[in-house]
Amino acid sequence: AQKITQTQPGMFVQEKEAVTLDCTYDTSDQSYGLFWYKQPSSGEMIFLIYQGSYDEQNATEGRYSLNFQKARKSANLVISASQLGDSAMYFCAMRAPTNAGKSTFGDGTTLTVKP
Amino acid sequence: DTEVTQTPKHLVMGMTNKKSLKCEQHMGHRAMYWYKQKAKKPPELMFVYSYEKLSINESVPSRFSPECPNSSLLNLHLHALQPEDSALYLCASSLRGGGTGSSYEQYFGPGTRLTVT
Repeated sequence: AQKITQTQPGMFVQEKEAVTLDCTYDTSDQSYGLFWYKQPSSGEMIFLIYQGSYDEQNATEGRYSLNFQKARKSANLVISASQLGDSAMYFCAMRAPTNAGKSTFGDGTTLTVKP
Repeated sequence: DTEVTQTPKHLVMGMTNKKSLKCEQHMGHRAMYWYKQKAKKPPELMFVYSYEKLSINESVPSRFSPECPNSSLLNLHLHALQPEDSALYLCASSLRGGGTGSSYEQYFGPGTRLTVT
């Protein structure tokens, strides 16, 4: 079975600073995909970034980067130059072959950006 | 067009009512999903349709009835709901179901906030 652990229920960051949201995972599959989603208070889940288990380089998408440490089974999201609009709930998720068709989500981290 | 639309945005219904939630995408995705999400919790998978066939039912009570009339449209029919069914219902789609690559990222709609009185 797959499991995603997000140990930070809530995080605060000052505007324009960088912040790291933690995610660790557990799976026996060799091939898997890791995803981060942002959910503002409006409710829509927004896809941010993807990392494949065989990708040698860390994924980056604009201000988002994923610090992938395969041996430690961690996939932390780094947001650089935080903006007020980054305040939201962030979910780490995983898809793996033995769980085909399903995404396993962590419990989420609520990020608040302070002006 | 990378949009998943859901209607209605808000729905209040009594326990004896019958209502339907609608989800639509025009991205050519062949997998569509229904999730239920309670406040400050992760989404819980309810159903997955792959190529218009129901491929996963996460033991959802029969008062929820999904339907996929075509590859772009997904409905969730509601009947005799309970107050504990009040939640945000999210629809999502992906290129295909069952994969782990980046093309299997899910695009979510804005959700329907359902209140059962």
